[in-house]
Amino acid sequence: RKEVEQDPGPFNVPEGATVAFNCTYSNSASQSFFWYRQDCRKEPKLLMSVYSSGNEDGRFTAQLNRASQYISLLIRDSKLSDSATYLCVVNSPYSGAGSYQLTFGKGTKLSVIP
Amino acid sequence: DTGVSQDPRHKITKRGQNVTFRCDPISEHNRLYWYRQTLGQGPEFLTYFQNEAQLEKSRLLSDRFSAERPKGSFSTLEIQRTEQGDSAMYLCASSFRDGVDTQYFGPGTRLTVL
Repeated sequence: RKEVEQDPGPFNVPEGATVAFNCTYSNSASQSFFWYRQDCRKEPKLLMSVYSSGNEDGRFTAQLNRASQYISLLIRDSKLSDSATYLCVVNSPYSGAGSYQLTFGKGTKLSVIP
Repeated sequence: DTGVSQDPRHKITKRGQNVTFRCDPISEHNRLYWYRQTLGQGPEFLTYFQNEAQLEKSRLLSDRFSAERPKGSFSTLEIQRTEQGDSAMYLCASSFRDGVDTQYFGPGTRLTVL
C-alpha cells in the first residue's frame, strides 16, 4: 500500500463547479498535513495546511479525519486559474531516528473548462 | 527575490558525465531538502540537512549521489556517472524548524541524460 494515495483524476470540470479531492495516508504517526498545488513544469507551492478542526481559505476548504486517515480538499466556484495538479502531502516518520519527512501523493490533475 | 533558488534550471548531459546542482534556501531557513520528481509522480525525498549536518538520506540516493551543505547555507547535489534513469526534476526545498515545518520549494533543475 502506498503511503499517500489520491484520486487518480484527471478531473475536468466547468467553471463555477465545486470539486472535491480525496487522499488517504497509511502512517498513523503522521503529524502534519498539507495540500500543495503544482502547475505544469513548475515547482510545488503550498496551498494550505490541513488541521483536524478543518480549515477554510476563501474558496478552498480542507478537512482531516485522523481516525480514518483521510484528507480532503474542496474547491468551490472553480476558476480557470485553478487548473493544476493538487498534491496531498503528509509529514510522516521517515526512519527510526525520529526524523519526519514529507511524503507526496502522485497528485490529481484538475482542468477547469470555460 | 527572497525565495529558494536553484541553478541551473536545465541541464542536458551525456550518460557517464558528472553533474552538480546548487540550491540557495530562504536565508533564515535552517533546514534544506532535496527531492526528485519524475513525470506523473509526486516529489520523492532524497536527503535533508539541518544547518550543515546531513541528517537523513533516502534509499533512493545511490552512492553515485552526494550532497553537501558546507556552511549551512547553500547546498550542492552531485550525481556521478549519470545514467538515463537519473533524468528527472531535482527540487530543493527549505524550511524553518518549527512545529509545522512548512517547506518552500525552488523552481527545480530539470536534468536530461542522453
